[in-house]
Amino acid sequence: DSGVTQTPKHLITATGQRVTLRCSPRSGDLSVYWYQQSLDQGLQFLIQYYNGEERAKGNILERFSAQQFPDLHSELNLSSLELGDSALYFCASSVAPGSSYNEQFFGPGTRLTVL
Amino acid sequence: QQQVKQSPQSLIVQKGGISIINCAYENTAFDYFPWYQQFPGKGPALLIAIRPDVSEKKEGRFTISFNKSAKQFSLHIMDSQPGDSATYFCAATSGGYQKVTFGTGTKLQVIP
Repeated sequence: DSGVTQTPKHLITATGQRVTLRCSPRSGDLSVYWYQQSLDQGLQFLIQYYNGEERAKGNILERFSAQQFPDLHSELNLSSLELGDSALYFCASSVAPGSSYNEQFFGPGTRLTVL
Repeated sequence: QQQVKQSPQSLIVQKGGISIINCAYENTAFDYFPWYQQFPGKGPALLIAIRPDVSEKKEGRFTISFNKSAKQFSLHIMDSQPGDSATYFCAATSGGYQKVTFGTGTKLQVIP
């Protein structure tokens, strides 16, 4: 158990809908990362937050947005869902970004199925 | 844009054998190369990592070999065990923001 929690574990929804995925980082971690894992695209970095502020952006679609709240939990919002958005979404956390790499601890993921 | 290329896509090794997974990168700004292990239904977990100023790092049965001039690195799993059966991802990162670029993954199956 990494200490990172994600809810829900599974989510089934229809095209055009909007969903929110939630992540609680490990105790003491200030930085949160979101990743998308699909069969054809592998593991893709989406976005990083540190202490409530966006720090880095990857291949995140405009239909997707995220935020980190004062209690450090984070939410990933996916809107106007398409079939191709079906994937595993992982949240990871680390102590903080810095000059050297800090290990990222991954949660168990949320499996999103868009029908 | 795939900045870290990983091969093979899948690998079957006999128990006790050596598993070898190879990765190559393009971006010379990468300065840290972690390997992640992912079991079915779980998130990836850091296995071992190396910096480019070191040519080899060993932790137990797991060894990373790094060739900076060729921009290649590999994971060797010695005395492979059925419990090592998982998907392995090489990765690369640079700078303080720790945006990690992952390889495409290698599904390893160790058969008894």
